[in-house]
Amino acid sequence: SQQGEEDPQALSIQEGENATMNCSYKTSINNLQWYRQNSGRGLVHLILIRSNEREKHSGRLRVTLDTSKKSSSLLITASRAADTASYFCATDARTSGSRLTFGEGTQLTVNP
Amino acid sequence: DGGITQSPKYLFRKEGQNVTLSCEQNLNHDAMYWYRQDPGQGLRLIYYSQIVNDFQKGDIAEGYSVSREKKESFPLTVTSAQKNPTAFYLCASSKGQWGGTEAFFGQGTRLTVV
Repeated sequence: SQQGEEDPQALSIQEGENATMNCSYKTSINNLQWYRQNSGRGLVHLILIRSNEREKHSGRLRVTLDTSKKSSSLLITASRAADTASYFCATDARTSGSRLTFGEGTQLTVNP
Repeated sequence: DGGITQSPKYLFRKEGQNVTLSCEQNLNHDAMYWYRQDPGQGLRLIYYSQIVNDFQKGDIAEGYSVSREKKESFPLTVTSAQKNPTAFYLCASSKGQWGGTEAFFGQGTRLTVV
């Protein structure tokens, strides 16, 4: 069963705008990760946030985690056309033997 | 360069045939994983292995088999028992137990039944 659910399913913005994607999950987690996938390619790890962390930054990426609401958000600032990809959250749920479970992703399109 | 390599990139299978997808890593990772991805969807776990000579079923193991005879290799066989094998298959590895460290993915194998 899928643990994480991303919202929105698709997002289209103009270059230079910020993009925000959300992820909700159902059970307690140890960690939450965000990955990026270009069309027809493998996934690339972006950032990992642990359950005792609330916010993490990496370059133009900002991830927040609210364990009380069982949700996370990924913010990409000053987006570029090259950011066009699918973005997945992956949760490491305590009830699933720490296996990583992926959501269905948000398809981000950044228009030049 | 260290990394994880999947081959072939494209694979065509006739109905009733078994096919094997290759996955090799030179990252010295203990854990390796196989995922299936259908169009517009997320990844579903097929099998995973956390140590040589041991592997566990994931959420959709029926119709698939794996082996882990060497640390660097984790081949996936799609058997004739898998009724709908057309999909994108992704192999991944990680340093330790799932979730605590980042996963490295191969570039995928696209399998089509003809």
